[in-house]
Amino acid sequence: KAGVTQTPRYLIKTRGQQVTLSCSPISGHRSVSWYQQTPGQGLQFLFEYFSETQRNKGNFPGRFSGRQFSNSRSEMNVSTLELGDSALYLCASSPGVSATNEKLFFGSGTQLSVL
Amino acid sequence: AQSVAQPEDQVNVAEGNPLTVKCTYSVSGNPYLFWYVQYPNRGLQFLLKYITGDNLVKGSYGFEAEFNKSQTSFHLKKPSALVSDSALYFCAVRDGDSNYQLIWGAGTKLIIKP
Repeated sequence: KAGVTQTPRYLIKTRGQQVTLSCSPISGHRSVSWYQQTPGQGLQFLFEYFSETQRNKGNFPGRFSGRQFSNSRSEMNVSTLELGDSALYLCASSPGVSATNEKLFFGSGTQLSVL
Repeated sequence: AQSVAQPEDQVNVAEGNPLTVKCTYSVSGNPYLFWYVQYPNRGLQFLLKYITGDNLVKGSYGFEAEFNKSQTSFHLKKPSALVSDSALYFCAVRDGDSNYQLIWGAGTKLIIKP
């Protein structure tokens, strides 16, 4: 079974631009969650989608948005990029049936650099 | 409010020695606790979890963790460290009585020296 796939692996953008990151979960998984990882802040939860609906949301500004498609693939969008958005963005999937105790399967991440 | 603390930024252990990576938590309801490991340039991998039952949980790669309710701790342990265990380790907690998000510790870098 293929793992969680994130594309692209690396991105370089300039301030003010927008970016879209993609995540394909493990086949059969209906929950996709997104995290921002930085050396200073650790792992910060962005949002979680289950069956095309946002089920949970972290404390990020509205510039960060996401969506999930009917095939469970998910995209994350960041508009008006700031230097502080430079980070590793991780996507994780799980079956989603029992949200509280399921283990997460992570992709390798997208490394975003904002210049 | 939920929180997780990993008090050590880095832990250094000699190969063959036992290792412990510390984690303490705070939740208002029943804690669901997790350990994940991250190797360089990779995503996180699940190691083990505590939901209920036996306080000693066994996981992948020979790791285990002990749930201590009175000390609100969930320390990760391994009897004999390997150089290949060198990685970044994350503890996470969720309040099992709610639908709140998973809260993550800041991570502990484990360095195993030959």
